Amino acid sequence: GIQVEQSPPDLILQEGANSTLRCNFSDSVNNLQWFHQNPWGQLINLFYIPSGTKQNGRLSATTVATERYSLLYISSSQTTDSGVYFCAATFSGTYKYIFGTGTRLKVLA
Amino acid sequence: ETGVTQTPRHLVMGMTNKKSLKCEQHLGHNAMYWYKQSAKKPLELMFVYSLEERVENNSVPSRFSPECPNSSHLFLHLHTLQPEDSALYLCASSQGNTDTQYFGPGTRLTVL
Repeated sequence: GIQVEQSPPDLILQEGANSTLRCNFSDSVNNLQWFHQNPWGQLINLFYIPSGTKQNGRLSATTVATERYSLLYISSSQTTDSGVYFCAATFSGTYKYIFGTGTRLKVLA
Repeated sequence: ETGVTQTPRHLVMGMTNKKSLKCEQHLGHNAMYWYKQSAKKPLELMFVYSLEERVENNSVPSRFSPECPNSSHLFLHLHTLQPEDSALYLCASSQGNTDTQYFGPGTRLTVL
């Protein structure tokens, strides 16, 4: 079946460090989003990025649809960046978003 | 609150109880979603409503019953749940199926 895989599963950073999170998907995507889930469970939109590159402050994302992966870059990390980062994708024009298993990030002060 | 709201935020219920979760979106979207997030598992899509019609039903047990009376409101009616149904239930909305999803804060459900 269609799969969305994320790596690494866990990441510990010192404040100020940079990181790259990866999302691989097994088929051509129609939609792709990156989310940050905070410790209280709230999922916050970071990017809607089925293709191309976007930047928002210290965060940026790139999706290379032809090679079936997306990357989320976090620069100058802060303790408030801690939480779980998910990518989610739909395939073949459906509403059915499939979520990856997430990358759990902890940023140490 | 703006965006997508959910009530209650926490719910504890026995296996014989009947309860309902409520979701309301204030974004003018036409699609709404229910997800289940269990510990150490990916988010699982349960139901999708588009223009108040159910367009996805992801093999969810009948003890979960969704209702979408209009494009702004979505309910999840719960009855005779099992302890393994304890999870975070998240609601989301979007404009069509080619746009960003916005999530509510979730209802943390515990079934005793």
